Amino acid sequence: RKEVEQDPGPFNVPEGATVAFNCTYSNSASQSFFWYRQDCRKEPKLLMSVYSSGNEDGRFTAQLNRASQYISLLIRDSKLSDSATYLCVVSAPSGTYKYIFGTGTRLKVLA
Amino acid sequence: EAGVTQFPSHSVIEKGQTVTLRCDPISGHDNLYWYRRVMGKEIKFLLHFVKESKQDESGMPNNRFLAERTGGTYSTLKVQPAELEDSGVYFCASSQFVSEGQYFGPGTRLTVL
Repeated sequence: RKEVEQDPGPFNVPEGATVAFNCTYSNSASQSFFWYRQDCRKEPKLLMSVYSSGNEDGRFTAQLNRASQYISLLIRDSKLSDSATYLCVVSAPSGTYKYIFGTGTRLKVLA
Repeated sequence: EAGVTQFPSHSVIEKGQTVTLRCDPISGHDNLYWYRRVMGKEIKFLLHFVKESKQDESGMPNNRFLAERTGGTYSTLKVQPAELEDSGVYFCASSQFVSEGQYFGPGTRLTVL
């Protein structure tokens, strides 16, 4: 079983749609959680950190459920420019801060 | 503020040759990380520097890989001798604090023929 699991997609959605991505992680001692966005042949870019209380940044909402070891990302009112791969990232348990990446979920927003 | 930079952007070498990748972190970031993405796989951690010290090198695949960060500024990752399976994209990232998000450089695409 992978340490961080994501549905690879692709998710093809029309402009204006709401789309949700999910991610599960295996190590309950994981410390920090993030969503990154990666465009084709580019580096991962930090989208947002994820907290148990949930956090929102404009059209993006992230949520962490520690009990279920589950992270989500909701994108409202999708734009063409949201088309990318979304990477779920979990930092390793205490003592090290290396990132553990999911394989990413591809999103394509259609006109 | 300048982001993380990496050099070269691409490198094509033959099996058995040596390649050195360079990473310049964001100014003031003590934490520097190396990651690698092999074709079709997820990005995987290689190692973590805090200033010039190796904090965690548990992801280094074998002793053909050598990372240094002299003076706690830029870092180099040397592969010697390169093997076919070393091909991939090597990313460097930096952060000011370990608990915050890491900022990635554009990567070096390494092809070993």
